[in-house]
Amino acid sequence: GAVVSQHPSWVICKSGTSVKIECRSLDFQATTMFWYRQFPKQSLMLMATSNEGSKATYEQGVEKDKFLINHASLTLSTLTVTSAHPEDSSFYICSAQDRGRVLSLHFGNGTRLTVT
Amino acid sequence: DAKTTQPPSMDCAEGRAANLPCNHSTISGNEYVYWYRQIHSQGPQYIIHGLKNNETNEMASLIITEDRKSSTLILPHATLRDTAVYYCIVRVAGGAGKSTFGDGTTLTVKP
Repeated sequence: GAVVSQHPSWVICKSGTSVKIECRSLDFQATTMFWYRQFPKQSLMLMATSNEGSKATYEQGVEKDKFLINHASLTLSTLTVTSAHPEDSSFYICSAQDRGRVLSLHFGNGTRLTVT
Repeated sequence: DAKTTQPPSMDCAEGRAANLPCNHSTISGNEYVYWYRQIHSQGPQYIIHGLKNNETNEMASLIITEDRKSSTLILPHATLRDTAVYYCIVRVAGGAGKSTFGDGTTLTVKP
């Protein structure tokens, strides 16, 4: 079945540094990828939608200058958390829309970010 | 995307069927119903989806009411490994269809 790989699966960084999270579709092309954030005991909150070759669309309340999204190819989208602070600590999850099978939406296994 | 409402929690005995309801009364004609589940600290796992007909796969069955305002996910023989948070979402198929998650139902399968 279709696989979406996220890397790293967990990361610890110091306050003020930037962290990049990768989301790759391994066996399909993804024209659209979605980024979510999930706090403990809460549901997934959509942060942004990224389309290959164009600027990401951010949900209300999500700072685009803080959460930089790049979707440079049909198999890779990256989320960079810039100048991370402890309140950015969360579980970040991506999902990818299969270009060839429009009904298929696959999720990565998430990245646990801890900012100290 | 339409909003969905689900009961916050349900219990089910191991080996019995688990029936998880979802209300999506504002669903549009071109929106599909999707079910995912999430086991602690993992990404959501796809279960099944449907438009208006009932669907079945190796994991579950999906029953959608005729007016499409609600649906039920059925796990025919629940096992302990089915303990998870189950999310019902509605979305337009294709790239435009962003998926907005509600609070989901925490299903606990008990021995």
